[in-house]
Amino acid sequence: AQSVTQPDIHITVSEGASLELRCNYSYGATPYLFWYVQSPGQGLQLLLKYFSGDTLVQGIKGFEAEFKRSQSSFNLRKPSVHWSDAAEYFCAVGALGGFKTIFGAGTRLFVKA
Amino acid sequence: KAGVTQTPRYLIKTRGQQVTLSCSPISGHRSVSWYQQTPGQGLQFLFEYFSETQRNKGNFPGRFSGRQFSNSRSEMNVSTLELGDSALYLCASMGTGNTIYFGEGSWLTVV
Repeated sequence: AQSVTQPDIHITVSEGASLELRCNYSYGATPYLFWYVQSPGQGLQLLLKYFSGDTLVQGIKGFEAEFKRSQSSFNLRKPSVHWSDAAEYFCAVGALGGFKTIFGAGTRLFVKA
Repeated sequence: KAGVTQTPRYLIKTRGQQVTLSCSPISGHRSVSWYQQTPGQGLQFLFEYFSETQRNKGNFPGRFSGRQFSNSRSEMNVSTLELGDSALYLCASMGTGNTIYFGEGSWLTVV
């Protein structure tokens, strides 16, 4: 079955600390992988995406993610978190050919001063 | 290039009424998807349209319907509104590499 799992419902980190948000997927086709961020009351904004090639991808706002095929994972990282990064983060997986894009349940990030 | 535009942004309806939400995708995008987002259920896929045809469908009752026009603009309709339909409805259009771009959403409150 196709699925995306974000194991952490919420995470709290101190400002300036590093961040890693986990994402695991199960998908029948060759996956395209995405991370989105949603601030309260807003739509989802694309942070980064992976299609092929270098398994470490850079995104906006200083985020990066690493694709590990053997672990079916696509974890999001940031070396130093800012208070403005507090938001909800969604991992998603899709594929070509009309396959439906599937979203994880989201991880809410809290940043403490 | 303009992003995905959704109208209206906020609306309040009464139980039993129906509502129509509109979405204009990014220029050149032919695929439009709709999602319902609620605090309890998270982001749930409603349906996807591609070139005026429904290509994928989620697990929602028949009260939820949609359509896409020849200019790729899309509408979704919810009939016989229930309190549980209160949610943020997100429209998204799909670009190259199946990358999805979201609008700001339409907040629907059913009273």
